Amino acid sequence: GAGVSQTPSNKVTEKGKYVELRCDPISGHTALYWYRQSLGQGPEFLIYFQGTGAADDSGLPNDRFFAVRPEGSVSTLKIQRTERGDSAVYLCASSLDGRKGDTQYFGPGTRLTVL
Amino acid sequence: AQSVTQPDIHITVSEGASLELRCNYSYGATPYLFWYVQSPGQGLQLLLKYFSGDTLVQGIKGFEAEFKRSQSSFNLRKPSVHWSDAAEYFCAVGPTLYSGGGADGLTFGKGTHLIIQP
Repeated sequence: GAGVSQTPSNKVTEKGKYVELRCDPISGHTALYWYRQSLGQGPEFLIYFQGTGAADDSGLPNDRFFAVRPEGSVSTLKIQRTERGDSAVYLCASSLDGRKGDTQYFGPGTRLTVL
Repeated sequence: AQSVTQPDIHITVSEGASLELRCNYSYGATPYLFWYVQSPGQGLQLLLKYFSGDTLVQGIKGFEAEFKRSQSSFNLRKPSVHWSDAAEYFCAVGPTLYSGGGADGLTFGKGTHLIIQP
């Protein structure tokens, strides 16, 4: 079956601009996660959705970052007033029901470059 | 706060040789433990995970890992590597029902880059 998909695969933007990154989880998965992976680092947790609600947003670095999942399926990560330090690969993952230890299936990521 | 340490940034192994990748964690209680592999242009793929019970866990692609509570370690092993195993390997921890607090997401190490020599 189809895995987690993310669009676009690459996004280049200028400092100060607004960007949206999209994630399509595996069909039927109620839990969705966003991570950020900087060069040479492991993925860093940003936010976790259970259904439509953000159950844990403790990893969002500041209020320029926001994510939504209005219908409990597709999610959009939104970054306002982008900074060069936001350049990274943004990963999305989904799991069946978000239970602790549930296997998270990752998408290929969106590489964001802020010039 | 929880953390994961992968002390080896790069490891080079000859094809057919055995492999061990090290992982140490710091956590309030025994967490769930995971190993993921990331190949260029591909998403992270789960190799194996440990919840409880038998401390030796078998995974996909011939990998196994051993949980050692006394050493807070979860090292990944493979008896004979193949050229296709060249990739980035990540150890991760996740909260359990009993660990309380902490983020719901996984905490990853910085990864170990595995290079296979012919």
